[in-house]
Amino acid sequence: QSVLTQPPSLSGAPGQRITISCTGSSSNIGAGYDVHWYQQLPGTAPRLLIYGNTNRPSGVPDRFSASKSGTSASLAITGLQAEDEADYYCQSYDGSLNEDVIFGGGTKLTVL
Amino acid sequence: QVQLVESGGGLVKPGGSLRFSCAASGFTFEDYHMSWLRRAPGRGLEWISDIGRSGSTKSYADSVRGRFTISRDNAKNLLYLQMNSLGAEDTAVYYCARKGAGFGQFDYWGQGTLVTVSS
Repeated sequence: QSVLTQPPSLSGAPGQRITISCTGSSSNIGAGYDVHWYQQLPGTAPRLLIYGNTNRPSGVPDRFSASKSGTSASLAITGLQAEDEADYYCQSYDGSLNEDVIFGGGTKLTVL
Repeated sequence: QVQLVESGGGLVKPGGSLRFSCAASGFTFEDYHMSWLRRAPGRGLEWISDIGRSGSTKSYADSVRGRFTISRDNAKNLLYLQMNSLGAEDTAVYYCARKGAGFGQFDYWGQGTLVTVSS
């Protein structure tokens, strides 16, 4: 069981807006640790999508955005496209676990 | 451009050992913390180990502590993972990743190498 909780699956139609939640606790997200998001397309390595809660690396479309509040974070994708079908993971750190890296269980996004 | 290329995966028997390497290029290797992560079949991403810039600071996930050893050779731009006492639960695709400065994110990943533990 992952320390960060994500919905196992989500689906949306092309052009829609979806959000993926990442729920933590007072020892990780709520303690102020940054949240990062990754996209893993089928058969490929994970790719950094968002870092430091809200920042997009160069090359990531502005259709991807993220936010953090309290003990949770969320990733939003607007104008959903077929190539967005992938697994999405949130990542942070946990102060009760020697500041070890923690991941959400991942959300499989299906574009209908 | 930044490149991370893993090698050394394969099939190993339960209780066996394996050593990976990850060749880094396109950046000043000794300036970055590096990590190993994995994804087991049907499961999500799991962090397994970090190493500091000089190699003197190391950390491990509970699931591998005492069995796996991370190391690096800054002169050769190589990251290593020595895995001992392997079990079926270690079957996964293993990734090396660079830790970006400032926020602790994994900003570049290798393509991954598959390890299968089976008799």
